[in-house]
Amino acid sequence: EVQLVESGGGLVQPGGSLRLSCAASGFTFSSYWMSWVRQAPGKGLEWVANIKQDGSEKYYVDSVKGRFTISRDNAKNSLYLQMNSLRAEDTAVYYCARGLRYYDSSGYYYDLGAFDIWGQGTMVTVSS
Amino acid sequence: SYELTQPPSVSVSPGQTARITCSGDALPKQYAYWYQQKPGQAPVLVIYKDSERPSGIPERFSGSSSGTTVTLTISGVQAEDEADYYCQSADSSGTYKVFGGGTKLTVL
Repeated sequence: EVQLVESGGGLVQPGGSLRLSCAASGFTFSSYWMSWVRQAPGKGLEWVANIKQDGSEKYYVDSVKGRFTISRDNAKNSLYLQMNSLRAEDTAVYYCARGLRYYDSSGYYYDLGAFDIWGQGTMVTVSS
Repeated sequence: SYELTQPPSVSVSPGQTARITCSGDALPKQYAYWYQQKPGQAPVLVIYKDSERPSGIPERFSGSSSGTTVTLTISGVQAEDEADYYCQSADSSGTYKVFGGGTKLTVL
């Protein structure tokens, strides 16, 4: 079964740090772009960051640049999000999501900018 | 920063057709995707590449695109379709992903 399981969430004080993990199973983790997407309580979805299959490219939403770092360990089938200098507005459920890979009729594939598999999320609360 | 605009809410009666729009300047260049999210659950991809349906998604879900607006259509709405729906795409470079604000579909 294809599965993503997040862990590492919790309560942290403003200015503190937290490291989220996402364990992947049931697919070839090293073949996919991976992302973090968050959702503040009662609010909509926000893409946070993504990372290429080999880790050579990483992109972030402006609000977390310089504070968050996305990384992956393909040998361990794991995705990470190091969050530093946390703020109250970072409070959210953080989802790990797999990038959508599309195969055409000729067998070629394209990495589309969407998310086809999601974890159940881990809650991060930034509060004093 | 780039934004996608959705109506906050749409209401329909069972069996009717629901249409949810999403507008954004880069939509003529970038594919749009749609997700369904029910309370307490992770989002589920229901439409990709503007109008393609993943396996396992009912045929009543369809997508279309016209200029800077994409539309999710749910034909013959059922009570189980009541959920929040989000469009998603990318900026003109394709690098930065963005979600619309979400639309709450209420089945009357």
